[in-house]
Amino acid sequence: DSGVTQTPKHLITATGQRVTLRCSPRSGDLSVYWYQQSLDQGLQFLIQYYNGEERAKGNILERFSAQQFPDLHSELNLSSLELGDSALYFCASSVGGQGNYGYTFGSGTRLTVV
Amino acid sequence: AQSVTQPDIHITVSEGASLELRCNYSYGATPYLFWYVQSPGQGLQLLLKYFSGDTLVQGIKGFEAEFKRSQSSFNLRKPSVHWSDAAEYFCAVGATGFQKLVFGTGTRLLVSP
Repeated sequence: DSGVTQTPKHLITATGQRVTLRCSPRSGDLSVYWYQQSLDQGLQFLIQYYNGEERAKGNILERFSAQQFPDLHSELNLSSLELGDSALYFCASSVGGQGNYGYTFGSGTRLTVV
Repeated sequence: AQSVTQPDIHITVSEGASLELRCNYSYGATPYLFWYVQSPGQGLQLLLKYFSGDTLVQGIKGFEAEFKRSQSSFNLRKPSVHWSDAAEYFCAVGATGFQKLVFGTGTRLLVSP
């Protein structure tokens, strides 16, 4: 157990729907990072939050949004889902606001859009 | 911006044989380098990391990696591979002032009996 908790582990939904992925960081970590892993794109950085504020944004679609709550858990919202959004979504956390010291990953949420 | 190249998509090694996975990075200053392992259906687990100092870094599960600035490389090695090492291995680079880690495309390790 890495200490980073992601729920749900699996999610199957239809095109056009909206889903919410949840992440609880490791105790003491203030930063949360979201990554998307797909066969054709590899691991793509989506977004980072640090202590409740957005810190960095990567290749995140406008249909996707995220937030970090006062208790530091984070949610990634995916809307108007398309077949191509099917992927593994990972959350990672780190103590500081910069990921250059490495971070701890959760076990991921596998999203299947049908 | 930093980038990472893992030239080998798949590697097959016999159990008990030695292993070397290649990683080349692109970054102007001294990078922060990492190796992660991902078993099927699992998240990424940190094997080892390099920030500065001794260029030979020891990690978990008997892995080590060597930072070679002249070759912009950070290759992962293990002297004797076990069947349980079969997984996907990712090299990643970070840098001061950059929030995210950039990952390579991964190398899938297969271990033959």
